[in-house]
Amino acid sequence: QLQLQESGPGLVKPSETLSLTCTVSGGSTSSSDYYWGWIRQPPGKGLEWIGSIFYSGSAYYNPSLKSRATISVDTSKNQVSLKLSSVTAADTAVYHCARHQGVYNWFDPWGQGTLVTVSS
Amino acid sequence: AIWMTQSPSLLSASTGDRVTISCRMSQGISSYLAWYQQKPGKAPELLIYAASTLQSGAPSRFTGSGSGTDFNLTISSLQSEDFATYYCQQYFRFPYTFGQGTKLEIK
Repeated sequence: QLQLQESGPGLVKPSETLSLTCTVSGGSTSSSDYYWGWIRQPPGKGLEWIGSIFYSGSAYYNPSLKSRATISVDTSKNQVSLKLSSVTAADTAVYHCARHQGVYNWFDPWGQGTLVTVSS
Repeated sequence: AIWMTQSPSLLSASTGDRVTISCRMSQGISSYLAWYQQKPGKAPELLIYAASTLQSGAPSRFTGSGSGTDFNLTISSLQSEDFATYYCQQYFRFPYTFGQGTKLEIK
């Protein structure tokens, strides 16, 4: 059964770069059938898609993040990473990774998520 | 971006009730719509994809309908485990977008 687990610092200072890793088990990030996405959820609010990546490194991003997001994949470690630069308090959220089959597709399954707080 | 209006934002109902949640798109998306259930502190779980296809393992009391710009999620007879927050998501075009969510609470 596919499982995704997010990890990374729970506290990041304003203006710094948020870095998270999603470790995939029970499946392979090198599969040509799937994309791997990041979605975030500010406390008490809704869901926002950040971006998605294919095993080849081809990635798509939400323009709302104004090019601050970078997603990468390390197939040797079976991991997907997210970097978000120049963070502010508005970036405080639970960050989830999730899989989707093909470019235009639904997310399933999702990781549990990890809370990142931006504060000095 | 494709904007989504999900309603209601809060729905109070009782066990056994039939309820419907609506999701309206700012432009047509054919049937490229998914519905998720999220419980507090948990990740969203897929219920419905392609507007009306029930995800394997999801209870048959959940039904999705609609195409184009107007979609519904109906729960035929509420069970205690259904009280949660529900989100719609379009995957017709980047950026993927989600509805604002509907919190289903016990009346």
